[in-house]
Amino acid sequence: GQQVMQIPQYQHVQEGEDFTTYCNSSTTLSNIQWYKQRPGGHPVFLIQLVKSGEVKKQKRLTFQFGEAKKNSSLHITATQTTDVGTYFCAGPMNRDDKIIFGKGTRLHILP
Amino acid sequence: EPEVTQTPSHQVTQMGQEVILRCVPISNHLYFYWYRQILGQKVEFLVSFYNNEISEKSEIFDDQFSVERPDGSNFTLKIRSTKLEDSAMYFCASRGGGYTFGSGTRLTVV
Repeated sequence: GQQVMQIPQYQHVQEGEDFTTYCNSSTTLSNIQWYKQRPGGHPVFLIQLVKSGEVKKQKRLTFQFGEAKKNSSLHITATQTTDVGTYFCAGPMNRDDKIIFGKGTRLHILP
Repeated sequence: EPEVTQTPSHQVTQMGQEVILRCVPISNHLYFYWYRQILGQKVEFLVSFYNNEISEKSEIFDDQFSVERPDGSNFTLKIRSTKLEDSAMYFCASRGGGYTFGSGTRLTVV
């Protein structure tokens, strides 16, 4: 079946270092969404990418959507302790009616 | 900012009992969803609801599960006879552009 795969599963970085998580879909996506879940919290929508090759920035976060619309990445520059959490990518499947989440990348920041 | 609200925040129930999880989606959204997340795992799709009917459901959403929109604002998930493996966080979401998730109900089946 359709899958969204995400790597790495865990990432430990020193505060101030950069962080990247990668997302791959088994099928072409009409769009891809990114969510952040703080420990004990709920997924919070960050962004949606729609166009092939699209790049969007939110302060220190840079989101990319691949040319083939099957992969995406989230890059955080100069991580801060507030960046701690799990970052999920999610893509619509079938009739765009539901989104399927990747397994997420859990980011730990070492002080 | 509009929110999706879920109640209760935590529910403990005995195996075999029925539970109803409640959600109030964002008022002008048309698509509603239930997802669940077993501790430490990914968020899994359960069911989507549009125009007062189920539009899609996953393999997890078997005959023990049902959803209702009993009035214009509430959206409920019922589990008829809970099992231990139903213990999880259950998130309601509604869709405008991106999805807005509620803060979840932690269901513990003992």
